Amino acid sequence: QVQLQESGPGLVKPSQTLSLTCSVSSGSIRSGAYYWSWFRQHPGKGLEWIAYMSYSGDNYYSPSLKSRLIISVDTSNNLFSLTMSSVTAADTAVYYCARGILTDGNYPTWFDPWGQGTLVTVSS
Amino acid sequence: QSALTQPASVSGSPGQSITISCTGASSDIGGYNYVSWYQQHPGKAPKVIIYDVSNRPSGVSNRFSGSKSGNTASLTISGLQAEDEGDYYCSSYTNTLAFVLFGGGTKVTVV
Repeated sequence: QVQLQESGPGLVKPSQTLSLTCSVSSGSIRSGAYYWSWFRQHPGKGLEWIAYMSYSGDNYYSPSLKSRLIISVDTSNNLFSLTMSSVTAADTAVYYCARGILTDGNYPTWFDPWGQGTLVTVSS
Repeated sequence: QSALTQPASVSGSPGQSITISCTGASSDIGGYNYVSWYQQHPGKAPKVIIYDVSNRPSGVSNRFSGSKSGNTASLTISGLQAEDEGDYYCSSYTNTLAFVLFGGGTKVTVV
């Protein structure tokens, strides 16, 4: 059963770049049936989609964050990553990675499983 | 303000049934059968309980069921149990550049 595990810095200073990694185990990232995805949840708030990417390189970003994001897939190490530049306190959140599943279209319609999440705090 | 609208809270007694609504638009819920529901317990990651409107992933209790009418999707929990307490989020594909929408979440309390 595939498992995902996020890793991140925990604390990032304002204006710096945040880098997150999601390791995929017990399954290959090389599948056309999935999109590798990032979400976040601000403290006490709801879920927000950030970005997703296929292993072959098709990537999609949340319009509100797009200018600050880069998502990438590393098939050699079976992991995918997210980079977010120019972070502010508003980027403080728990960040989750998840596998997006294509049902019968070109985009994932549901997400399973999810990683346990990693808390990122933006503060000087 | 979330793109999909859910009630902030719903409560019920053990054994009862409750229904959570999720209202969107023709560009998302109304136009596609791509609604999913996620259960989240405090401090835990979300877990999918319904996908593509009414399908249950393997291992999810059949007490959870989903449906859709027009621009509104619904999640019903029957035979409510204490372990069902938590937050529930609806999600939908959208044909806008947003791609993935979520509701604001509904807190389920078993009283």
